[in-house]
Order: sequence, then structure tokens, then C-alpha cells
Amino acid sequence: GEDVEQSLFLSVREGDSSVINCTYTDSSSTYLYWYKQEPGAGLQLLTYIFSNMDMKQDQRLTVLLNKKDKHLSLRIADTQTGDSAIYFCAVSGGSYIPTFGRGTSLIVHP
Amino acid sequence: ETGVTQSPTHLIKTRGQQVTLRCSSQSGHNTVSWYQQALGQGPQFIFQYYREEENGRGNFPPRFSGLQFPNYSSELNVNALELDDSALYLCASSLALSGGEETQYFGPGTRLLVL
Repeated sequence: GEDVEQSLFLSVREGDSSVINCTYTDSSSTYLYWYKQEPGAGLQLLTYIFSNMDMKQDQRLTVLLNKKDKHLSLRIADTQTGDSAIYFCAVSGGSYIPTFGRGTSLIVHP
Repeated sequence: ETGVTQSPTHLIKTRGQQVTLRCSSQSGHNTVSWYQQALGQGPQFIFQYYREEENGRGNFPPRFSGLQFPNYSSELNVNALELDDSALYLCASSLALSGGEETQYFGPGTRLLVL
């Protein structure tokens, strides 16, 4: 089955850019998502990209997809303390049921 | 806010008991999925319901069962609770369209503790 890997922690200074990386194994993955989870809360959909796209930008968020390397990244520009959370990469194919990574804890310090 | 609500927010049970968790889907959505999120892990897919029928199931035993009602609200039932069932249970609703993308919108979850 699909396997999704993310690094567990990322620490950045407020105002810097954050880049969260994700790799996946199933080359037939069609939809790729980024979710944010704040402490004690459910998952908030941040953005998603179709596999026929290389890049998607949405305000401070930029998603890059390298299909050849099965690598997805999320860049957050001008990172703020309110961006501190766990970020989950998820991918799905024809079943539309996403497989999630373990999440990357983003810590933003002043 | 996604419009997906779940109840209760927290629950404590003992081993061997049964539990029912509830989810109200976002208006207009016809599909509901349930996930188990253990501490420090990503959500794991339990099953999905579409128009009141089970439409896919993850690697969970039969003591995990579900229902979807005509108004598209849903229940997750877990029998014979085990300590490892302690987790955050997430419900996600989506709109299944033929050939279309089905983004899932998550509720806040129910945190279950089994003692």
C-alpha cells in the first residue's frame, strides 16, 4: 500500500520561510493534500494539488510537486507564531481515501 | 470551521465496554469517513460510508462498525474496547461526484480514553 513519509520536527524563526517535505511511494497518487492540526483540534485542509500540476500558490502557501521523485513540499512564507502546529501530508488515488504521513511539528520561535 | 461536528468531545471507558461516537456531516455532503489517530501518529482510515452503505474499509477488526443515516449523519461503534483503542477519532465528510475530486473536511474529533 501507499507509504507517506515526513520529517517529524521543523524549527524556524518568526518571519523566515518554512519548508515541510513529504515523500510518497505510489506513483499513481492523484491528489496530494496538506492539512494543519492545532493542539487538541481536528484537521484543517490547507491546500491540495492535482498530480498533473507542478506548483500551486495560495497566499503565503506554495506547494511544489516533483512526480519523478515522488516528493511534495509545502512552503510557508513569513512564518508566524500562529503557524505553529502539526502539518500532515496526505495522498490519495482513485479511491479518494487519503493516506496520511505521521505529521511534521512546526515550531516557530521569536 | 468545516461544518462537521462530532460528539462527545471526550469520553472515558473501561476495557470490554462498548462505545458509540457520532458525527454530523457538512451540509450537502453524501460521504463520511472515519479515522483513528493514535498519539503521535497520522490518522488511519477505518471505513467510509456512501449513501448509507459501507464503501471501503481499512485494516480494522469487525468490532469497529458504523452506520450512516438518511440525513448523512453517522455513527462509529466499537465493541469490546481494548487499551489500544485509546485515540482521537476523526470524522470527515465529502461530496462524491462522478469523476470528481472528493476533498474531505474533518470534524474536531472525539478523544477516547480506555482504562
